[in-house]
Amino acid sequence: DGGITQSPKYLFRKEGQNVTLSCEQNLNHDAMYWYRQDPGQGLRLIYYSQIVNDFQKGDIAEGYSVSREKKESFPLTVTSAQKNPTAFYLCASRNHETEAFFGQGTRLTVV
Amino acid sequence: LAKTTQPISMDSYEGQEVNITCSHNNIATNDYITWYQQFPSQGPRFIIQGYKTKVTNEVASLFIPADRKSSTLSLPRVSLSDTAVYYCLVGPGNTPLVFGKGTRLSVIA
Repeated sequence: DGGITQSPKYLFRKEGQNVTLSCEQNLNHDAMYWYRQDPGQGLRLIYYSQIVNDFQKGDIAEGYSVSREKKESFPLTVTSAQKNPTAFYLCASRNHETEAFFGQGTRLTVV
Repeated sequence: LAKTTQPISMDSYEGQEVNITCSHNNIATNDYITWYQQFPSQGPRFIIQGYKTKVTNEVASLFIPADRKSSTLSLPRVSLSDTAVYYCLVGPGNTPLVFGKGTRLSVIA
């Protein structure tokens, strides 16, 4: 089936550690996005990529890094520089002027 | 990107029609209007998209007046399973989706 897959669904991180969240899509979409959602809030854009080997910072990129080496994959690393990483992370993909498809999300908790 | 304003929350009884209005006064000529639905702990799901006049699909209708400065999402005969957050987004097709806080719809039996 075509779709967008995020893994893992739940992730626990110790303070000071980097963690990488996976996002894979087989929809042949050019653009991919990472969002962060805090309880009761809307989605905030972290990073996005319109094409392979290129990406841009969103509104809250500090403490995060990404790569886009393959069209299908857009992993997000939450670094130790991110002071408040506990949140729900959502990945999305789309082609221009079409609807976006979202993954099921990764809930990251710092312990 | 055009800023959007929607009610923070709405309540409705089952079986009623629900209309959620979104204001976007500075919408640009090449902007589309798109609505997404989000259930708790899930990613948003596309509902409907339009540019002008009226668009209808199997789950909703979208009404856009001639000046395009607002739009109304209409959900016919809502059920408990329609309880969710609804987001109105405005922008061209080649830019990242910008989400506001959305409208929290609660459907009551």
